Amino acid sequence: DAKTTQPPSMDCAEGRAANLPCNHSTISGNEYVYWYRQIHSQGPQYIIHGLKNNETNEMASLIITEDRKSSTLILPHATLRDTAVYYCIFKGSSNTGKLIFGQGTTLQVKP
Amino acid sequence: NAGVTQTPKFRVLKTGQSMTLLCAQDMNHEYMYWYRQDPGMGLRLIHYSVGEGTTAKGEVPDGYNVSRLKKQNFLLGLESAAPSQTSVYFCATNAWTSGGDTQYFGPGTRLTVL
Repeated sequence: DAKTTQPPSMDCAEGRAANLPCNHSTISGNEYVYWYRQIHSQGPQYIIHGLKNNETNEMASLIITEDRKSSTLILPHATLRDTAVYYCIFKGSSNTGKLIFGQGTTLQVKP
Repeated sequence: NAGVTQTPKFRVLKTGQSMTLLCAQDMNHEYMYWYRQDPGMGLRLIHYSVGEGTTAKGEVPDGYNVSRLKKQNFLLGLESAAPSQTSVYFCATNAWTSGGDTQYFGPGTRLTVL
């Protein structure tokens, strides 16, 4: 099973950048890194994904190391509404789309 | 568009009772999934479907059955509910893109089995 390692919790001050790390040392060459988040027991929400290049969208940036064994999700200006559990997942694009969730990182954004 | 909807939002069952959870989507996605989430845990896949008329087992399928008679609906059944099935159930659909895929989740059904 695809296995990632994330810190169980992190704090961030409102307005500052939140940097969430993820270790995925067993990732293979054709597997993507995905980030989802879950706000207060709602359904998870897609944030971003990437293969080996850094990616940016309106929600976040994803930095993947050159060896692809780890990545960092960056929320550039965290708000209180970004308080959530963040899940890092890796999987190939040719499978049935199944997501294997770990326990994620609980990010608490503080005023 | 409503996206992914789930019915009911809450339910309390007694041990041994049966029920069906309904997931409906209006995005014309082929792939649909049922996950469960226990307190403090990540989601675990129960069953999934890659198209109308197909179903497959996920990580924790025991005690559940599913059906996908129509593309837009994915039903999850509990034939004889047990307290261990107390959980929050999430349905999701999958959209494929050229560089990966994205899952869209429903709001969840909170089930308590007494």
